[in-house]
Amino acid sequence: AQSVTQLDSQVPVFEEAPVELRCNYSSSVSVYLFWYVQYPNQGLQLLLKYLSGSTLVESINGFEAEFNKSQTSFHLRKPSVHISDTAEYFCAVSDLSGGSNYKLTFGKGTLLTVNP
Amino acid sequence: SQTIHQWPATLVQPVGSPLSLECTVEGTSNPNLYWYRQAAGRGLQLLFYSVGIGQISSEVPQNLSASRPQDRQFILSSKKLLLSDSGFYLCAWEGPTSGYTFGSGTRLTVV
Repeated sequence: AQSVTQLDSQVPVFEEAPVELRCNYSSSVSVYLFWYVQYPNQGLQLLLKYLSGSTLVESINGFEAEFNKSQTSFHLRKPSVHISDTAEYFCAVSDLSGGSNYKLTFGKGTLLTVNP
Repeated sequence: SQTIHQWPATLVQPVGSPLSLECTVEGTSNPNLYWYRQAAGRGLQLLFYSVGIGQISSEVPQNLSASRPQDRQFILSSKKLLLSDSGFYLCAWEGPTSGYTFGSGTRLTVV
């Protein structure tokens, strides 16, 4: 069985400050890793994903995450946040043993609040 | 392009009443479909998934059921709602590179 731990339930930061949202996972097999963002009363949107290849993946809005296999982590970072980045962020893992489908297991989420 | 539709957006139902939430996908065939429930502070819980018509897998025992009467239609139901069924319900389909696309969600409040 796989699990995901997001170490911080809430992260308040000031605008233009750097931020790191932490995510650790456990799985006995190889995994795919994802970060999703959820704005209030909306569904989840895929922010970025790691499937294979380069361990550093980037999104179009300046976020990046690095897959660290030895530490079983997939932390999300942004060097300078904006007010509009205020949202809840979910880390998710999918193991590769599911056969015809890839069930995602989600962390409990981190609420990022960017203050002016 | 593929799109996913979920309705209604909000729903207030009395305890003991039935429930039917619908999710449809366009622009793809034979998608893997999922129902998740999101409760405050508890992340997302996988309720059901389906890899084809009539094929439903349940992840947790509960008061809900799911059906897939057509290839691109996934329905979440209950015969009698409980207060604990309140939450934000999300439908998702699995894309070809193992990412999920989520619907906009249904906020269910059982009163």
